[in-house]
Amino acid sequence: SQQGEEDPQALSIQEGENATMNCSYKTSINNLQWYRQNSGRGLVHLILIRSNEREKHSGRLRVTLDTSKKSSSLLITASRAADTASYFCAVSNDYKLSFGAGTTVTVRA
Amino acid sequence: NAGVTQTPKFQVLKTGQSMTLQCAQDMNHEYMSWYRQDPGMGLRLIHYSVGAGITDQGEVPNGYNVSRSTTEDFPLRLLSAAPSQTSVYFCASSYTGQGGDYTFGSGTRLTVV
Repeated sequence: SQQGEEDPQALSIQEGENATMNCSYKTSINNLQWYRQNSGRGLVHLILIRSNEREKHSGRLRVTLDTSKKSSSLLITASRAADTASYFCAVSNDYKLSFGAGTTVTVRA
Repeated sequence: NAGVTQTPKFQVLKTGQSMTLQCAQDMNHEYMSWYRQDPGMGLRLIHYSVGAGITDQGEVPNGYNVSRSTTEDFPLRLLSAAPSQTSVYFCASSYTGQGGDYTFGSGTRLTVV
């Protein structure tokens, strides 16, 4: 079964607004990552947060990790039309990545 | 160009046919893996390899075989295609196997009729 589960399944926002999505997982992890997938394309790695980290930033992305709750969140600030994509969390354990079902984000102009 | 190359990009098979999806990387990565992605779902791990000659099963291995004779190549074989194997298949490689440096191919869209 898939480890990561994203919430919400879909999100529609206006350009310039922030987008927040959450990921829950089931077992202990080495790290958690977020990926973006544009329609019909492969996945692109966005950011990785290690199990001993609580927050990480990369450009307009902010990721938090709460290992006690087995959850993570991804915040995209000041969204742009180009941010329209599906976003997946993936947990890493024993050299395997387990993905959630993803959050589809639509940014309206 | 450095990266993960998957061929073919599209394929239609008849039920019962066999075929091999090709995956090659030129980054000297030890870790390679195959995933399938079905509508509304994330990627599910089929098989993975931690180096030449070493492979292991992932979450959904039934109906698929892999081998890793070289560092560069990691082909995925469908033994007897079934409609349930209609999916998009992604190959990925990584230097560390721990994530963060995974590079994904552009995918193979397979339809089994």
